[in-house]
Amino acid sequence: GQNIDQPTEMTATEGAIVQINCTYQTSGFNGLFWYQQHAGEAPTFLSYNVLDGLEEKGRFSSFLSRSKGYSYLLLKELQMKDSASYLCAVRDTGGFKTIFGAGTRLFVKA
Amino acid sequence: AAGVIQSPRHLIKEKRETATLKCYPIPRHDTVYWYQQGPGQDPQFLISFYEKMQSDKGSIPDRFSAQQFSDYHSELNMSSLELGDSALYFCASSISGELFFGEGSRLTVL
Repeated sequence: GQNIDQPTEMTATEGAIVQINCTYQTSGFNGLFWYQQHAGEAPTFLSYNVLDGLEEKGRFSSFLSRSKGYSYLLLKELQMKDSASYLCAVRDTGGFKTIFGAGTRLFVKA
Repeated sequence: AAGVIQSPRHLIKEKRETATLKCYPIPRHDTVYWYQQGPGQDPQFLISFYEKMQSDKGSIPDRFSAQQFSDYHSELNMSSLELGDSALYFCASSISGELFFGEGSRLTVL
């Protein structure tokens, strides 16, 4: 079966750091993605991990542990515009299907 | 840079009618995906095509069908529409795993 779990909502303060966790149990694995989605808009790509470890990209970093079925997205120096849903997604072994988690709604407050 | 183009952006249909959504992937992208996203929900994978051949299938109802044409554009056909089909339908394309999403087609079934 396919199961991707993320917290439903998180709140953080402007300028702070927030970590959004994702655990997954999937029948196959060929990479984990994080996408940002503002309400009513298309998801936009943030990061991609296929090997264990940390990938850093500006204010965003993503970590993967394949043995634990675990990833996190780290957002630093939070800005109000970072208020959005953050979707964890796993690509299956064949590479033609990417399954999304339910997303974490992040609220950034002043 | 060219993005994924979807049409129409908005569509209103009555129950039991038929709707067709179109998607034009980014040039040279070899894989096209269709996702359905209900209000407050994560994108649900429907179907994907690799080089014009169906490559994977998700939770696509039998009332729906899709195909990819020789010019790589794809169409999602939905028949016998139900109220529950009201959603945002995203098309995405990829060449190396990362999905690039179109802006979506919002279908409302009355």
